[in-house]
Amino acid sequence: EVQLVESGGGLVQPGGSLKLSCAASGFTFSGSTMHWVRQGSGKGLEWVGRIRSKANNYATVYAASAKGRFIISRDESKNTAYLQMNSLKTEDTAVYYCTRQRGDSSSSPYDYWGQGTLVTVSS
Amino acid sequence: QSVLTQPPSVSGAPGQRVTMSCTGSSSNIGAGYDVHWYQQLPGTAPKLLIYGNSNRPSGVPDRFSGSKSGTSASLAITGLQAEDEADYYCQSYDISLSGWVFGGGTKLTVL
Repeated sequence: EVQLVESGGGLVQPGGSLKLSCAASGFTFSGSTMHWVRQGSGKGLEWVGRIRSKANNYATVYAASAKGRFIISRDESKNTAYLQMNSLKTEDTAVYYCTRQRGDSSSSPYDYWGQGTLVTVSS
Repeated sequence: QSVLTQPPSVSGAPGQRVTMSCTGSSSNIGAGYDVHWYQQLPGTAPKLLIYGNSNRPSGVPDRFSGSKSGTSASLAITGLQAEDEADYYCQSYDISLSGWVFGGGTKLTVL
């Protein structure tokens, strides 16, 4: 059974940092491209960023809202992807999902999703 | 403002057919990138519903269908059922933004 389990969410003050984890199982994590997608309360889905596999040099790309503040990484030995979030703003408050992209093409869909972890940025 | 435009809501009675649109531009859908659709039931994570414009993953009923033409795509649901009540999102890739984009979502209400 495929599972993506996010953890690490919580309450953080503006300007603070938080690191989310996404533990994967049930599929070949090492060969998979992983993305982070977020959803503010009552709002739509927003793409955050992506990390490719080792074979693709762990290449990352970020949405404009995340660039320079967020860092995506992965640990193949733990089958886990990470989202390090720095300089957090109130507008970063959202449920953060990790997803697996089927294939490595820009047109590949997200076929597996985690249950999400809530990040609240507030003083 | 989302890069892909979806109507905020659609509704239909049980058994009816509904459609919802997803309008993009020449830098995403019109550039030839595939459109995917996700269904998000209340309080749950999104689920892949349609991929590659018109393909259904295993387990998705054939009541759901997708199409793409030019800079737009559409999702159709026939034989509407109460359990179809959910938010539906389209998604594609945008070459100008060098990133993946979603529509704002359409809330389907089954009357």
